[in-house]
Amino acid sequence: DGGITQSPKYLFRKEGQNVTLSCEQNLNHDAMYWYRQDPGQGLRLIYYSQIVNDFQKGDIAEGYSVSREKKESFPLTVTSAQKNPTAFYLCASSKLGGNEQYFGPGTRLTVT
Amino acid sequence: ILNVEQSPQSLHVQEGDSTNFTCSFPSSNFYALHWYRWETAKSPEALFVMTLNGDEKKKGRISATLNTKEGYSYLYIKGSQPEDSATYLCAPSGLTGGGNKLTFGTGTQLKVEL
Repeated sequence: DGGITQSPKYLFRKEGQNVTLSCEQNLNHDAMYWYRQDPGQGLRLIYYSQIVNDFQKGDIAEGYSVSREKKESFPLTVTSAQKNPTAFYLCASSKLGGNEQYFGPGTRLTVT
Repeated sequence: ILNVEQSPQSLHVQEGDSTNFTCSFPSSNFYALHWYRWETAKSPEALFVMTLNGDEKKKGRISATLNTKEGYSYLYIKGSQPEDSATYLCAPSGLTGGGNKLTFGTGTQLKVEL
């Protein structure tokens, strides 16, 4: 089955710890994205990548980092510098050229 | 920050009712308009991607129109069914970057009751 997987589904961390969220796709898509959802807000773009070893900041990149060493994988690290890390995180992928994005199931991160 | 507005915020309809939602967005630097359906406990799923002014797309009982000159899109659902209950998101692309970069609205939450 082709698709996007994110793990884990739920993640709990203590304040001050970095945490890495996994995103893998086997759709052979060039572009991958990380979004964050907070109550009452639309999905906001954190980082995106259109090609291996290259990525761009989205609208709310502060406190986050990413890597794109393989086409299939786009992990997101939530660093201790992120002031409000508790949120629902969605990963997506697409072909290049403004095509529809395919979303993973999401990871709900809680930091206390 | 570029505003993408969706209305209404939420909607309750009876099974069989037809309904429509609005998405408005800045018309400058527009590349495409995406509609997604997001059911509870599932991933958002693409419904339509539209690029041309006057575009109309249809998938079953759901259809959408696009006006790029005035910056709005309508989503219509004919004869709503309980399985249509979901949050409907619109997202224009190109507003703050390339065609792959979407700016999402906050969504319209639809509840269809028996």
